[in-house]
Amino acid sequence: DGGITQSPKYLFRKEGQNVTLSCEQNLNHDAMYWYRQDPGQGLRLIYYSQIVNDFQKGDIAEGYSVSREKKESFPLTVTSAQKNPTAFYLCASKKEGATGYTDTQYFGPGTRLTVL
Amino acid sequence: AQSVTQLGSHVSVSEGALVLLRCNYSSSVPPYLFWYVQYPNQGLQLLLKYTTGATLVKGINGFEAEFKKSETSFHLTKPSAHMSDAAEYFCAVRTNFGNEKLTFGTGTRLTIIP
Repeated sequence: DGGITQSPKYLFRKEGQNVTLSCEQNLNHDAMYWYRQDPGQGLRLIYYSQIVNDFQKGDIAEGYSVSREKKESFPLTVTSAQKNPTAFYLCASKKEGATGYTDTQYFGPGTRLTVL
Repeated sequence: AQSVTQLGSHVSVSEGALVLLRCNYSSSVPPYLFWYVQYPNQGLQLLLKYTTGATLVKGINGFEAEFKKSETSFHLTKPSAHMSDAAEYFCAVRTNFGNEKLTFGTGTRLTIIP
């Protein structure tokens, strides 16, 4: 089945440790996105990538880093510089349109990160 | 700047009653608008979207939404609520043309009363 997988579903880390969240898609989508979700705040964009080896900061990139070495994979690292990392993290992907037409973003099941 | 406002962070309706979830947007370019649904501890699933053309769009699970440019609104409706509709709903708007980011509202949690 085609889709987006995020692992693990639940992740616990001690304060001060870096942690990497996995996002893989087999939809042959070009663009990939990372969002953070906090109660009552909706989804906020952390980073996005429209092509391999290129990515852009979103609205809340501080304390996070990403890489896009393969089309299928877009891992997110939550660094110790992120002041409040406990949240639900969602990965999404989208097929880029040749004319800029916005196709649908498809979401993975999410990873809930808790920093102790 | 583009933005989305969802009126009512919590909405409760009786089973079988009309569901109305409100969404107003602000956009400097013709908007593309989306409604997503999220069940607890899951990702988001697309309900419906408006890009161009017909302003009344139909989605999955009996939901529909109407794009009203004059009112800058894209409200989500369903004639008869079902218990399985209990979830959180997000409205989203595409931002700058050629920049494929989505801006999301803060969400509306829908509760269905038996």
